[in-house]
Amino acid sequence: AQKVTQAQTEISVVEKEDVTLDCVYETRDTTYYLFWYKQPPSGELVFLIRRNSFDEQNEISGRYSWNFQKSTSSFNFTITASQVVDSAVYFCALISGYSTLTFGKGTMLLVSP
Amino acid sequence: GAVVSQHPSWVICKSGTSVKIECRSLDFQATTMFWYRQFPKQSLMLMATSNEGSKATYEQGVEKDKFLINHASLTLSTLTVTSAHPEDSSFYICSALSRGQGASDYGYTFGSGTRLTVV
Repeated sequence: AQKVTQAQTEISVVEKEDVTLDCVYETRDTTYYLFWYKQPPSGELVFLIRRNSFDEQNEISGRYSWNFQKSTSSFNFTITASQVVDSAVYFCALISGYSTLTFGKGTMLLVSP
Repeated sequence: GAVVSQHPSWVICKSGTSVKIECRSLDFQATTMFWYRQFPKQSLMLMATSNEGSKATYEQGVEKDKFLINHASLTLSTLTVTSAHPEDSSFYICSALSRGQGASDYGYTFGSGTRLTVV
């Protein structure tokens, strides 16, 4: 069985603040993939990143960065200098073995001006 | 990159009628597509997995006679909500599995979703 936990239901920050969204996963497989998606109010899911279990290198893409730590089974997502347009629900997801994509419950990020 | 087109974006229907939602992979062949349902402020819940040319696999608790899934071609999967009722009102979103050149290079591409309201 696999599981994704996003303990933060909602986070509110003021523009330009940095914010970290937590994601903890569980799987018995040694090969797995982790994802982050953004869901703005319009509803569509926007792919942000995919990381496989053999690549623990942290990644930075503009204001976004991801910290993958197998030792703590975490794949946290940080937005630097947040902007109002970052307001959305963010989902962490996992797939391993022959299972299907499992989503966390999501974290709603509210960035106010 | 891979694009999945989902139509309609929103639909309002009367209770008791059926609604069909289409999901097309525009620039790739999707042997596997997934259908999710999302209630307000909740996560995406997988309803079923459809493979081209075979019957869909439904998740536990999903009524296969109510949510008919057809995956007749490598680029099209449809979800039909039959005899819709107000409790079926939800956001439905499809996803197609796309495979790249490498064995481990694959991704899930999502449609833009369909907001169904049954009145």
